[in-house]
Amino acid sequence: QKEVEQNSGPLSVPEGAIASLNCTYSDRGSQSFFWYRQYSGKSPELIMSIYSNGDKEDGRFTAQLNKASQYVSLLIRDSQPSDSATYLCAVKDNAGNMLTFGGGTRLMVKP
Amino acid sequence: GAVVSQHPSRVICKSGTSVKIECRSLDFQATTMFWYRQFPKQSLMLMATSNEGSKATYEQGVEKDKFLINHASLTLSTLTVTSAHPEDSSFYICSATSGGEETQYFGPGTRLLVL
Repeated sequence: QKEVEQNSGPLSVPEGAIASLNCTYSDRGSQSFFWYRQYSGKSPELIMSIYSNGDKEDGRFTAQLNKASQYVSLLIRDSQPSDSATYLCAVKDNAGNMLTFGGGTRLMVKP
Repeated sequence: GAVVSQHPSRVICKSGTSVKIECRSLDFQATTMFWYRQFPKQSLMLMATSNEGSKATYEQGVEKDKFLINHASLTLSTLTVTSAHPEDSSFYICSATSGGEETQYFGPGTRLLVL
């Protein structure tokens, strides 16, 4: 069974700090990796996708992928209170379109 | 970006009735649509995958006769919860992909409360 693991948190960081969110996955055949943000009572919204080993930066967000270690992370620089949400890691294999979601990490950014 | 809508956003119904939820891709053709369910403080659980014009593929443990999915066109999929019971109360979210695109675009979700 394919598994995606995240620390449920809450992860609490002060405003302006770097928030580091981590995710591990079990299926070595996984090819595509996504980070979604979900505010309470809302549906997930895509933050970033990453497909190759290394770092991918988009504004304040950096996704990091290490396929050998089956590890993907999301860094949020200059964290803002508005970043407070649950962050979902999702993994897709090359067999189809199905995403497997982690349980999510709740991030709290304190002013 | 790609936009997915859902209707209704919130529905309250009596136990034993059926509820239909619509999922529409507004600015792209969705070859594949997905239906998820999310209980409070839990992650998304995939219920089924539907491809336009074919029968949906249900995940293990999801009753296909209770959760009827129709994907009749490239822009519309419907989920009908038949004979709903209080334990079916949940947040139902659809998503859609287009062709060979990797990303799933999520609808805003439908909150179902069965009394």
